[in-house]
Amino acid sequence: EVQLVESGGGLVQPGGSLRLSCAASGFMFTSYAMHWVRQAPGRGLEYVSAISSDGGRTYYADSVKGRFTISRDNSKNTLYLQVGSLRAEDMAVYYCARGVTVSYAMDVWGQGTTVTVSS
Amino acid sequence: DIQMTQSPSSLSASIGDRVTITCRASQSISSYLHWYQQKPGKAPKLLIYAASRLQSGVPSRFSGSGSGTDFTLTISSLQPEDFATYYCQQSYSTPCSFGQGTKLDIK
Repeated sequence: EVQLVESGGGLVQPGGSLRLSCAASGFMFTSYAMHWVRQAPGRGLEYVSAISSDGGRTYYADSVKGRFTISRDNSKNTLYLQVGSLRAEDMAVYYCARGVTVSYAMDVWGQGTTVTVSS
Repeated sequence: DIQMTQSPSSLSASIGDRVTITCRASQSISSYLHWYQQKPGKAPKLLIYAASRLQSGVPSRFSGSGSGTDFTLTISSLQPEDFATYYCQQSYSTPCSFGQGTKLDIK
């Protein structure tokens, strides 16, 4: 079964950091670009970051550039998002998603991990 | 950055109705437009990719059309499980961007 499972969310103080993980299974992880998308409470979907299949290219939304770092370990079939200098507006459910080749749609999503920013 | 605008933001409809949701891009995105369905507390689900291609396993009552800047998602005959929020997303340029969503509820 194709599956993505996020972990690493939690409660963090403003200015703090976390590392989110996304474990992939059931498909050839090394063949796919991967994405992070977030959703603040009661809000719509916001694109956060992407990484190419080999990890050589990364992309960030302006809202997180310089504070978040996406990476992947293809030997462990795992995607990461290091989130730092956290602000109240970063509080959200963070989803990882698999990128479809050519169209760049996102065809498989994890269940999400929640980041709460509060003092 | 490319801005995506959906209309309407919310919509009430009845079982069996034909429903159309529109998505407009701030510049041409060719056919790099995708539609997702999201139910409360759940992850989004890909319905349509590349403007008009039905994702595997998605019922044929869902269809998509358009290219350039104007796109539509049509549900031909609403079923109870279709009441959800729908998002469009462009992947023509980075950063990718989503529309603000269209909440479809029961009339």
